[in-house]
Order: sequence, then structure tokens, then C-alpha cells
Amino acid sequence: DGGITQSPKYLFRKEGQNVTLSCEQNLNHDAMYWYRQDPGQGLRLIYYSQIVNDFQKGDIAEGYSVSREKKESFPLTVTSAQKNPTAFYLCASSTIPEERLFFGSGTQLSVL
Amino acid sequence: AQSVSQHNHHVILSEAASLELGCNYSYGGTVNLFWYVQYPGQHLQLLLKYFSGDPLVKGIKGFEAEFIKSKFSFNLRKPSVQWSDTAEYFCAAFNFGNEKLTFGTGTRLTIIP
Repeated sequence: DGGITQSPKYLFRKEGQNVTLSCEQNLNHDAMYWYRQDPGQGLRLIYYSQIVNDFQKGDIAEGYSVSREKKESFPLTVTSAQKNPTAFYLCASSTIPEERLFFGSGTQLSVL
Repeated sequence: AQSVSQHNHHVILSEAASLELGCNYSYGGTVNLFWYVQYPGQHLQLLLKYFSGDPLVKGIKGFEAEFIKSKFSFNLRKPSVQWSDTAEYFCAAFNFGNEKLTFGTGTRLTIIP
């Protein structure tokens, strides 16, 4: 069953801690994306990658980092520099950037 | 900066009412337009899309949207809503000029049985 798997579903971060959100896809898509969803603000792009070993900053990349070592995987690290990390994080993928996105089920990150 | 505007933040309708959700984008040039829906507890999924051709596009579950280039609009419509249409709806536009996809802030739709 093809799709995008995000884990964990819920994540708690302590002050000063880095946490990593996992995103795996088996759709053979080249492009992968991380969005942050906040109430009343819609989806804002954090980082995206169109090819392995390459990625670009989105609109709100500060305090986040990513890697794309494999086509299937695009983990997002929320660093201690991100001062307001509480949000719902969505991973997505597409064949090409202008095509439709397929979304994962999301990770809710909260600060302890 | 490019933007996508959804002016209705929360819409409440009774079953069988007609629905129209507004979506406007801020730039000219070639765009691909999308409506995504997020049902409670489910993934965001594609409702419908416009790439080219007939400006009236039909999606799943009886939804349709009309691309009006002169108004920079891509409003979502459904003639008769059902309780199961309760969800959050997001409009998005892909700008070929800068190859960016921008989402609107979303509209929460609540259908009262």
C-alpha cells in the first residue's frame, strides 16, 4: 500500500532539545516537502527537496534542518533555535513540484 | 510576495444548503490551482485541481471549482452539502514563475444535520 508515513504521531520536546520527525514515502516521488500547520495560518513551507542530497529553504526554515540521503526519506529536525515549535507538522511528496501533493498523517509537536 | 486568500475562515451551513468557498491568488502568469480537504482525523487529500483547459473542474464528492482568470479566483462550490462534508478546506496555487506552491489559510466548514 503506497503512501507517506510520518512518525511519531505525537512528540514532546523539552527546552533546549533537538527532536527529529520522520517521513518516509514509497511512492517513488522525487520531490518531498515539510509544512507547518498552525490554526488560522494554513500551511507554511519549511523545507523542500527535489532530488537526493539537495534541499532548499522554504518560507520559515529558521530553527529547522533537514537531510535527504535517500529518495524515500526526508527527516526534519526541530532545533533548540526554533522558539515556537508547537505545531502540527506535515510531510508531503509529489512527482514534480507543479503536480498534486500527497500528504502524510502528520506529527503534533508540543513543548514540555 | 505571492499569496493565496481564503476570506471565509469558518462557514456553518445546514445540510442541503449550497456552498461556495472563495479563493483568490495574487499574481498573474501561469498557475496550477488546487483545493485540498482535511476531514477530521484524516490526511490532507486532493479534492480537485486545475491545470489548463475547461475552467470548470469537477472533483470528488460532487465538488467543483471555477477558474476565472480575470478575477484571479478559483472558488469551490457544491450545490447541496452533506454532514460528511464537515472538514477544513485549503486552496493552493503553484506559480510557474518562481516554482512556488502557496496555500491559503484554510476554511473550516461545519455542516449542521
